[in-house]
Amino acid sequence: EAGVAQSPRYKIIEKRQSVAFWCNPISGHATLYWYQQILGQGPKLLIQFQNNGVVDDSQLPKDRFSAERLKGVDSTLKIQPAKLEDSAVYLCASSLSSGGGNEQFFGPGTRLTVL
Amino acid sequence: AQSVSQHNHHVILSEAASLELGCNYSYGGTVNLFWYVQYPGQHLQLLLKYFSGDPLVKGIKGFEAEFIKSKFSFNLRKPSVQWSDTAEYFCAVTQGSGGSYIPTFGRGTSLIVHP
Repeated sequence: EAGVAQSPRYKIIEKRQSVAFWCNPISGHATLYWYQQILGQGPKLLIQFQNNGVVDDSQLPKDRFSAERLKGVDSTLKIQPAKLEDSAVYLCASSLSSGGGNEQFFGPGTRLTVL
Repeated sequence: AQSVSQHNHHVILSEAASLELGCNYSYGGTVNLFWYVQYPGQHLQLLLKYFSGDPLVKGIKGFEAEFIKSKFSFNLRKPSVQWSDTAEYFCAVTQGSGGSYIPTFGRGTSLIVHP
């Protein structure tokens, strides 16, 4: 089966610019996750969708980050405006549902550098 | 809020040595526990998980982990490591209820195995 797709793989922008990331989960997976992984740290959950509804976005910096999953399939994560501290790898993952025992399948990530 | 601690940030071993990576979590209620692995240049992938039942769980490539509820721990073990086990290892916990479980990851342990 096809895995989780993400694009772009790399992005370099200047601070105060905007950037968007795209994720296409595994077909049939209801739950989609966006994580921020700063170098040397573990993935930090930004937002979790169940179909097109938000399960948790408590760690999403809502003044600058936004995410949507309008049709319950693919999703976009946007940063506007970017700050230097946003430099990180942005991971997308999907699972069959938000049930606790479900395995997450991860995409390759987008490496963002903010100059 | 849930927190996950991985005490060993960097581990260097020789082939055939035994491995134990520590993982402790903070939440006292019902949790599901995971170990994910990221091999160089690859995506994060599931190594093993505990959902219920036997607290000693076995995963891929000879890895196992033991859930000790009284110690809030889920340590990863392998009796004899190989050079190909060189990777980043992440402990993760999901907590919640009903159909909505929220994942939290530890900061990861970098394992280098010398041939």
